[in-house]
Amino acid sequence: AQKITQTQPGMFVQEKEAVTLDCTYDTSDPSYGLFWYKQPSSGEMIFLIYQGSYDQQNATEGRYSLNFQKARKSANLVISASQLGDSAMYFCAMRGSNYKLTFGKGTLLTVNP
Amino acid sequence: NAGVTQTPKFQVLKTGQSMTLQCAQDMNHEYMSWYRQDPGMGLRLIHYSVGAGITDQGEVPNGYNVSRSTTEDFPLRLLSAAPSQTSVYFCASRSRPQLVPSNEQFFGPGTRLTVL
Repeated sequence: AQKITQTQPGMFVQEKEAVTLDCTYDTSDPSYGLFWYKQPSSGEMIFLIYQGSYDQQNATEGRYSLNFQKARKSANLVISASQLGDSAMYFCAMRGSNYKLTFGKGTLLTVNP
Repeated sequence: NAGVTQTPKFQVLKTGQSMTLQCAQDMNHEYMSWYRQDPGMGLRLIHYSVGAGITDQGEVPNGYNVSRSTTEDFPLRLLSAAPSQTSVYFCASRSRPQLVPSNEQFFGPGTRLTVL
């Protein structure tokens, strides 16, 4: 069975600072993928970044990077230079060998001016 | 491309009523899924399909029915609505992950359902 844990229900960050959102996972699958999605208050789900379990390097997409530590089973999202528009709910998700996507409960990020 | 479309956007039902949430995608994706989102629970998988004619249960399938007669459409049926089914429902689709594992899952805009 797959499990995603996001231990931070809410996080606050000052504009222009970096913030790390935690995600740990549990799976027995040797091959899996990790995703981060953003959900603003308008409700849509926006794909941010993907990391494959066999990828040697941490994934980066603009201001987003994924700090992947396979041995610790963690896949933290790092947002650099936070902007007011980054205020949203963030979900970590994992796809295992059954190709189903399992989501964590989310972290609500608030960026303060 | 319209992407993933869902109708209706909002719906209010009375306990015991049935209804169908519509979902369609125009990206020729084989994989489609239905999720429900409840406060503090994240997204939970209800049912999914890996192609026309093939469906399977997710984490919370009870009270819901699906069918997949075409690649484009994946309707979700509530058989007899209950207040516990008050939620936001998302439909999603993606291409075969076996081909491109990094392919993201595209989500529809969601349907907000209230059961009284």
